[in-house]
Amino acid sequence: AQRVTQPEKLLSVFKGAPVELKCNYSYSGSPELFWYVQYSRQRLQLLLRHISRESIKGFTADLNKGETSFHLKKPFAQEEDSAMYYCALRTGGGTSYGKLTFGQGTILTVHP
Amino acid sequence: DADVTQTPRNRITKTGKRIMLECSQTKGHDRMYWYRQDPGLGLRLIYYSFDVKDINKGEISDGYSVSRQAQAKFSLSLESAIPNQTALYFCATSDARKGTSGPGTNTGELFFGEGSRLTVL
Repeated sequence: AQRVTQPEKLLSVFKGAPVELKCNYSYSGSPELFWYVQYSRQRLQLLLRHISRESIKGFTADLNKGETSFHLKKPFAQEEDSAMYYCALRTGGGTSYGKLTFGQGTILTVHP
Repeated sequence: DADVTQTPRNRITKTGKRIMLECSQTKGHDRMYWYRQDPGLGLRLIYYSFDVKDINKGEISDGYSVSRQAQAKFSLSLESAIPNQTALYFCATSDARKGTSGPGTNTGELFFGEGSRLTVL
């Protein structure tokens, strides 16, 4: 069965410092990984997906199949990055195709 | 704007009561989901529906039931609420028609409602 683990419930950094939110997954097939974000008083929304290999709001994430990880990184954190971040795994095949399994979430706080 | 709307937004009820949470969407998506969010446990899938005639259990479906009344409506019911069902519930939708791999594939992007906070006393 698939599983997503975010080991840090809480992560605090100062503005301008680098930040890395960890995500590890367990899945025997070919995974698709995503990061979702929930800002205060806003809906949960997609931040980025590994297939796109894009940088959104300065965040990047690289899929490392050898380490089964998809860590989210930003070189210089901003106060507006404070939010709840969820890593999610989509598994393919059969009727499960298209549904996401989420990790436990990490609350990021960026201090001024 | 096309949207995902959940009602009620907040509800307090007592153990043993029947509760229905409703979700409607104007995005024209065929896939709909119900998740619950608990501190430290993240988002867990309760039920999902890939079209009106397709209903599937998620990882924590016990104690819940759903109804897909139309493409745009997906309701979650707690037949006899219990305190450990106190949580924040999210409805989400996705579109299977768009994708980077061609027609019929799913990009994986979920569009969420604002959430329904349920407290069972």
